[in-house]
Amino acid sequence: GESVGLHLPTLSVQEGDNSIINCAYSNSASDYFIWYKQESGKGPQFIIDIRSNMDKRQGQRVTVLLNKTVKHLSLQIAATQPGDSAVYFCAELLHQAGTALIFGKGTTLSVSS
Amino acid sequence: ETGVTQSPTHLIKTRGQQVTLRCSSQSGHNTVSWYQQALGQGPQFIFQYYREEENGRGNFPPRFSGLQFPNYSSELNVNALELDDSALYLCASSSRIADTQYFGPGTRLTVL
Repeated sequence: GESVGLHLPTLSVQEGDNSIINCAYSNSASDYFIWYKQESGKGPQFIIDIRSNMDKRQGQRVTVLLNKTVKHLSLQIAATQPGDSAVYFCAELLHQAGTALIFGKGTTLSVSS
Repeated sequence: ETGVTQSPTHLIKTRGQQVTLRCSSQSGHNTVSWYQQALGQGPQFIFQYYREEENGRGNFPPRFSGLQFPNYSSELNVNALELDDSALYLCASSSRIADTQYFGPGTRLTVL
């Protein structure tokens, strides 16, 4: 499968491959992280979340890994499908001036069949 | 699909005008947050409302204001519109302040 060590704005994979999308977050005090998928013209859709007391969490075809030492998140998508094509954002919940989601730079995933 | 709805879907205004955007939160959610998403960027936090009170604000000027109603629906008001206000405005609701935020489909605002 395709993987990236650093954040890249785009990722192109073949249908059936595994995809890995990386994200760096900014605040060491953040204790909650969410991955969202955003299709063109739509609002962000919740995929999976993880709290800072965990380093891995699995969902249906998706896994999120958290490395607090280097402030890094990754989203792994197994058996990527054309319907997975979208922009993916990681977000950290910041407990300052309310509880704001701070979004990372998005990655556009393109899946070809 | 989340239970968060927004209206209108699209809006065109001219510079200097005022606009009101509306959001209905998901059933059981008492917290609403608003975000601005410029083309090609990630959403940016505008402010959050919890039980009808503003609970926090991002780096946006006072001409961005809001309200939350007893049924937890919310409005975003923008006065003296500027060209740079053209963006997708997203509303997100959550069951508690620090819980997962679920987004609506957004309102696309174009300022000419």
